[in-house]
Amino acid sequence: DSGVTQTPKHLITATGQRVTLRCSPRSGDLSVYWYQQSLDQGLQFLIQYYNGEERAKGNILERFSAQQFPDLHSELNLSSLELGDSALYFCASSVGGNRDTEAFFGQGTRLTVV
Amino acid sequence: LAKTTQPISMDSYEGQEVNITCSHNNIATNDYITWYQQFPSQGPRFIIQGYKTKVTNEVASLFIPADRKSSTLSLPRVSLSDTAVYYCLVGEGYGQNFVFGPGTRLSVLP
Repeated sequence: DSGVTQTPKHLITATGQRVTLRCSPRSGDLSVYWYQQSLDQGLQFLIQYYNGEERAKGNILERFSAQQFPDLHSELNLSSLELGDSALYFCASSVGGNRDTEAFFGQGTRLTVV
Repeated sequence: LAKTTQPISMDSYEGQEVNITCSHNNIATNDYITWYQQFPSQGPRFIIQGYKTKVTNEVASLFIPADRKSSTLSLPRVSLSDTAVYYCLVGEGYGQNFVFGPGTRLSVLP
């Protein structure tokens, strides 16, 4: 158990809908990272938040957004869902905001868009 | 970010030592080499990181030659539970904002 909690574990929704994925980082970790893993694209970094502020942005679509709350949990919002958004979404956390501390991954949320 | 190349898959038997080599010809001076392990439907897990020469921890060793253009992850005496995908990442830090490549799918056979 990495200490990073993601909910829900599974989510099935229809195209065009909006969903919210939640991540609780390890106690004491200030950084949260979101990743998407699909069969054809591998594991891709989406976005990083550090202590409530956006720190780095990767290949995140405009239909997707994220935020980190004062209690440090984070949410990833996916809207206007398409079939191609079906994937495993992982959250990771680390102590620091820079890239020099180890990141711990959660178990992921499996999103299926039908 | 330096591009990495590693074998798509490898097979081994229980009790054997497994070496997975990663090529990274364009590694930069500030880049570290980091390896992650991922089991099906689980998030990646950090295994080991190094900059040069040899690094060893309780689960693996990482060998890096002087030119740093490649690295080898060594898993001693693998067991069935080591069956997983292993990713080699090169860059500054622990790879949090990297694109993970296809990795090496290691199958450990009884």
